[in-house]
Amino acid sequence: GAGVSQSPSNKVTEKGKDVELRCDPISGHTALYWYRQSLGQGLEFLIYFQGNSAPDKSGLPSDRFSAERTGGSVSTLTIQRTQQEDSAVYLCASSFSGTGGSDTQYFGPGTRLTVL
Amino acid sequence: AQSVTQLGSHVSVSEGALVLLRCNYSSSVPPYLFWYVQYPNQGLQLLLKYTTGATLVKGINGFEAEFKKSETSFHLTKPSAHMSDAAEYFCAVSEGVRGGGADGLTFGKGTHLIIQP
Repeated sequence: GAGVSQSPSNKVTEKGKDVELRCDPISGHTALYWYRQSLGQGLEFLIYFQGNSAPDKSGLPSDRFSAERTGGSVSTLTIQRTQQEDSAVYLCASSFSGTGGSDTQYFGPGTRLTVL
Repeated sequence: AQSVTQLGSHVSVSEGALVLLRCNYSSSVPPYLFWYVQYPNQGLQLLLKYTTGATLVKGINGFEAEFKKSETSFHLTKPSAHMSDAAEYFCAVSEGVRGGGADGLTFGKGTHLIIQP
C-alpha cells in the first residue's frame, strides 16, 4: 500500500518568507508526527497529532513554527519568517494508534528546506 | 527525560565481518527501543523494535538487537556485513505518555556504517 508522502520534496526559499510543508499519512493511521533532521542537531521531534485532538507542541523550536491537521488526515507544517537555521530535512511519520509509545512510526521521504 | 547515546559516529567493517553498533539509553520508565536505518536520500525505515517480552529481537535484513536493562543498552548486530548494509543507523527511545510526554521518538545522533570490500 501507499506509504507516507510529503511535498514538496525540495523547497528553496529566501530568508523572511513563509513556507508550508505537507504530509499525507498512511490511510487509517491516527497518529502523525513531525521531525526535523539537521547536521547540527540530528533528528528532533517537533509535534505530534493524535486523531483530531489538539497537538502536543512541546517540541516546536519557536513560535514561528505551527502545524495543523485537517480532518484527522493531512497535515501542514508552516514556518513563518524563515531563518537560515531553519534549513533542514523535515520528516513526517505516522503510526496506527500512537498511544503508549510502542507503535511503529512509518516515515516519509522528507522535505529538504533550504533558506538562502 | 529520555536520551540516547550512540557510540561512534562512523563504524567501518569489512564485507562478511560482524557488525556491532552501540546504543545506550536513559529512561525514567521501562523504555520502548527502536533501530531505524536511513539510506542516502531516503526516509527512515524500521529495522526492529523492543517493547516487552523477549529481550533478543530479530529484525529485517539479518539484524538483531538485545535489550539489556542492567547495562541500559540496545546494541545492534549482524553476523556478516553486506555491501548493501552501508547506511546511517539510528537508535531511538520512546517513553510515551507513561513518561508524561508525547509519543515522539528521541533519537541518537546516528552511526554511519561503512562496508569495506
